Amino acid sequence: QQQVKQSPQSLIVQKGGISIINCAYENTAFDYFPWYQQFPGKGPALLIAIRPDVSEKKEGRFTISFNKSAKQFSLHIMDSQPGDSATYFCAASMNTGFQKLVFGTGTRLLVSP
Amino acid sequence: GAGVSQSPSNKVTEKGKDVELRCDPISGHTALYWYRQSLGQGLEFLIYFQGNSAPDKSGLPSDRFSAERTGGSVSTLTIQRTQQEDSAVYLCASRGSSGSSYEQYFGPGTRLTVT
Repeated sequence: QQQVKQSPQSLIVQKGGISIINCAYENTAFDYFPWYQQFPGKGPALLIAIRPDVSEKKEGRFTISFNKSAKQFSLHIMDSQPGDSATYFCAASMNTGFQKLVFGTGTRLLVSP
Repeated sequence: GAGVSQSPSNKVTEKGKDVELRCDPISGHTALYWYRQSLGQGLEFLIYFQGNSAPDKSGLPSDRFSAERTGGSVSTLTIQRTQQEDSAVYLCASRGSSGSSYEQYFGPGTRLTVT
């Protein structure tokens, strides 16, 4: 019940295209869903996050779509750029669990020029 | 400092030796987490500190692993009698207690290699 399943494992998108990464969870007690971006040799950096009281959150080219009934959430990267090439992790946490993050297994995104 | 810092950035040690990994959280952040990222794996939770106490140690893989935090700031993760399966990147994250209190900010990690 603690797992967060992430897909795809890897993704190649042309410059200017839309990158879509999906995650699914089982534990309905999760109430915070962040996405992290990680470049090689660096720690994960918080990209965008959503709470389950909204269905969508947009920050610049990055959008989270959240479907509470399906227990799924996704990251959309509009107008993908080569600089977006990185590994993306979805995660989930709950307020009653000391807010420790449960991570998906990551998606390696390559944006081709 | 502006962000979470960790030291050393890289550590190579021989099997059976003890290692200490250090984390300096963002100033004022009361919550501190350790995670481990193994090659090709996602990140797994190890331990959580609130102030100097550790109410959740559920992710520590064995009793060879321990951690402490002093002065509500710096934390040290200690691995005794290291094994090759301990090779991984150890990440520290900190979180504030007000405003966007869910947000965790990660350090650059310590890459541990056990030979």
